[in-house]
Amino acid sequence: AQSVTQPDIHITVSEGASLELRCNYSYGATPYLFWYVQSPGQGLQLLLKYFSGDTLVQGIKGFEAEFKRSQSSFNLRKPSVHWSDAAEYFCAVGAPTLQGAQKLVFGQGTRLTINP
Amino acid sequence: KAGVTQTPRYLIKTRGQQVTLSCSPISGHRSVSWYQQTPGQGLQFLFEYFSETQRNKGNFPGRFSGRQFSNSRSEMNVSTLELGDSALYLCASSLGQGAWGETQYFGPGTRLLVL
Repeated sequence: AQSVTQPDIHITVSEGASLELRCNYSYGATPYLFWYVQSPGQGLQLLLKYFSGDTLVQGIKGFEAEFKRSQSSFNLRKPSVHWSDAAEYFCAVGAPTLQGAQKLVFGQGTRLTINP
Repeated sequence: KAGVTQTPRYLIKTRGQQVTLSCSPISGHRSVSWYQQTPGQGLQFLFEYFSETQRNKGNFPGRFSGRQFSNSRSEMNVSTLELGDSALYLCASSLGQGAWGETQYFGPGTRLLVL
């Protein structure tokens, strides 16, 4: 069965510092990977996704992620964080179903706090 | 283009009652998925509808049900509410073409509190 692990429950970084959020997945075939962000009281917003091609994927808000098949990882990075980046971040893998649909399997999330 | 909308945004119910949540997908999207988010279990898939048919169901009891209308709007129903049903219920829509890596766009959620 597909699974996603986000090892860090909570990360605190200073504004302007670089950021890396870790994500490891378990999936037998080529994975379809997503990063979503959730601000308090809000739904999920897609940051970026990977399903083929370049292993370095660019997203919105200055985020990027790198797919490493050998490490089963899809880590999210940002060179310089802003206070508005404080939120919860979810990594997800797209898991196919017998009916041809797709469901998302999410990690537990990483809560990001920004120090001024 | 308007995003995914969910109504109501907040609900308070008591144990044993039932509740119906509504989701309107992005225009042109035919697939609607529902997820439950709780602090303990995280985000879990409930079910997915496409063209008024449930295509896939997660590991939830039969008290959780849903349906989709011809305009792709979807409702989910929870009967005989339990305290553990308190959660944020998120709806997501996608084109529904079954393409690999198809992106799901999420609504703001309905926060349900069961007392």
